[in-house]
Amino acid sequence: QLQLQESGPGLVRPSETLSLTCTVSGGSISSTSYYWGWIRQPPGEGLEWIGSIYYSGSTYYNPSLKRRVTISVDTSKNQFSLKMNSVTAADTAVYYCARVIVGTGRFDCWGQGTLVTVSS
Amino acid sequence: QSVLTQPPSASGTPGQRVTISCSGSSSNIGNNAVNWYQQLPGTAPKVLIYTNNQRPSGVPDRFSGSKSGTSASLAISGLQSEDEADYYCATWDDSLSGPVFGGGTKLTVL
Repeated sequence: QLQLQESGPGLVRPSETLSLTCTVSGGSISSTSYYWGWIRQPPGEGLEWIGSIYYSGSTYYNPSLKRRVTISVDTSKNQFSLKMNSVTAADTAVYYCARVIVGTGRFDCWGQGTLVTVSS
Repeated sequence: QSVLTQPPSASGTPGQRVTISCSGSSSNIGNNAVNWYQQLPGTAPKVLIYTNNQRPSGVPDRFSGSKSGTSASLAISGLQSEDEADYYCATWDDSLSGPVFGGGTKLTVL
């Protein structure tokens, strides 16, 4: 059964870089049928798509975050990662990684999420 | 401000039927399939309805979805206490070149 697990620091200082990794188990990140994405949810608010990556390294990002975000993939470790620079308190959120079915935009399997707080 | 518009809240009593609307535009709902996610308190979202009206295995047939033009709806019949959750519509947006979510609807079972 496919599982996704986010990992990374729970506290990031303002102006620094947020770094998270999603480890995929029970399936291959190199499948041609899926993209792999990041979504975030500020406390008490809705969902916001951050960006997605294909196993080949092809990426697409939310235009509102593109300037600050980089998503990468490591197929040897079955992992993909998120880096967001110049963070502010507005970036405080639960960050989810998820599998995306190619051609549908559907996030069919999610990690449990990890809370990242931006504070000094 | 979400690209897709949902009512912030909805409610019903056990056994009732409730509907949740999702309004978009020609660049998103009007031209792409709609998915619905259910987020139970403290958990990650899960797919409830995909491709407008399809249910994943394990989702009760009390849940149904529909789409017409630039709007979509989620209907829940025979409301149960365990249906109390946040519900999000989502689809692809051709202008954004990426997926978009509605703002979410908090369903309360009275």
